[in-house]
Amino acid sequence: SQQGEEDPQALSIQEGENATMNCSYKTSINNLQWYRQNSGRGLVHLILIRSNEREKHSGRLRVTLDTSKKSSSLLITASRAADTASYFCATVSGGYQKVTFGTGTKLQVIP
Amino acid sequence: EAGVTQFPSHSVIEKGQTVTLRCDPISGHDNLYWYRRVMGKEIKFLLHFVKESKQDESGMPNNRFLAERTGGTYSTLKVQPAELEDSGVYFCASSQHGQGGSPLHFGNGTRLTVT
Repeated sequence: SQQGEEDPQALSIQEGENATMNCSYKTSINNLQWYRQNSGRGLVHLILIRSNEREKHSGRLRVTLDTSKKSSSLLITASRAADTASYFCATVSGGYQKVTFGTGTKLQVIP
Repeated sequence: EAGVTQFPSHSVIEKGQTVTLRCDPISGHDNLYWYRRVMGKEIKFLLHFVKESKQDESGMPNNRFLAERTGGTYSTLKVQPAELEDSGVYFCASSQHGQGGSPLHFGNGTRLTVT
């Protein structure tokens, strides 16, 4: 069954604007990760936030986690055309620490 | 270091035929995973190896799918006989430690088309 569900499914913005993507999930988690996928390539890990953390930064990326609402957001500031890709959240849960992905958000940054 | 490599990158087969996908993880990574993405839907977990042992194969759709990792190095995923609904992109990923603490490193995937 699907664990992570991203919102919106697609997002188109102008270069320089900020992009916000949201992820909702259903069960308790150990941590949550965000990945990026460029067309025809594999997924690339961006950032990991643990269940006891509320916010994390990495360069132009900012991730928040609200375990009470079972949701996370990924903010990309000052977007660039090279940020055009699909973005996936992945929840890690259970004793085997299973990694479950959602459907992704397709981001297009227009130069 | 070399990344995760998958072979072939594309495969087109007819319904009823057999296809074997291969994944070479990053050297030293004990954990190896298979995922599948069908027609823009979610990336669905298939199974997880720790070395040569299957840690979790709860995502394998049915007994037409067989995954092996002999010797704890590369892994193969065989589909026999293939059905139309098996079409999709099959991703392999590896990680050094348990899933929770380490990011997954993905290959570029194998795009399987069953006609």
